[in-house]
Amino acid sequence: DARVTQTPRHKVTEMGQEVTMRCQPILGHNTVFWYRQTMMQGLELLAYFRNRAPLDDSGMPKDRFSAEMPDATLATLKIQPSEPRDSAVYFCASGLGQEDTDTQYFGPGTRLTVL
Amino acid sequence: DQQVKQNSPSLSVQEGRISILNCDYTNSMFDYFLWYKKYPAEGPTFLISISSIKDKNEDGRFTVFLNKSAKHLSLHIVPSQPGDSAVYFCAARNTNAGKSTFGDGTTLTVKP
Repeated sequence: DARVTQTPRHKVTEMGQEVTMRCQPILGHNTVFWYRQTMMQGLELLAYFRNRAPLDDSGMPKDRFSAEMPDATLATLKIQPSEPRDSAVYFCASGLGQEDTDTQYFGPGTRLTVL
Repeated sequence: DQQVKQNSPSLSVQEGRISILNCDYTNSMFDYFLWYKKYPAEGPTFLISISSIKDKNEDGRFTVFLNKSAKHLSLHIVPSQPGDSAVYFCAARNTNAGKSTFGDGTTLTVKP
């Protein structure tokens, strides 16, 4: 049963601290997405990778957020320094990269609380 | 500018009745549409999709209708079951862009 995994599932940290969230996409998937869900803004796309290359990170605050794929089995989202407004659930999703019918498989999310 | 809108934050229906969830989009370049369902403490899961070359797609109790001229799609669930209670996200994409734009979601509650 292939699934997207995310760690940690929950993170509580203090303002100013660095936060790193990790995602393991489904083996064989070549697209990876990072989303943020808040009460106010639904599902917001932060970054999108295809074959490990970043294609779109226009939704991500560049001054504090960074997303990388060190290898095909790991995607990371880092916030430095974190702020209370970053509190949200962060989802990673992966897909096969099919141009027309591609669906995304989501991980369970990382619930981040910044105090 | 929100390109995908789900104007009803919540919907409550009785078990056995029809649930209709609506979604509007503004970008005429969108040519593929998806619905995802999300339970609490879980990630969204794919439910059903439709290409812009169709106006209807059916999968069991779930049917998605697309009205391109109105830039409107809807998800029908018949009959509704308590297990259908979840948040439903509408998503739209342009197949050349490679990414989907999501609405804010509609929380469906099906009462026994």
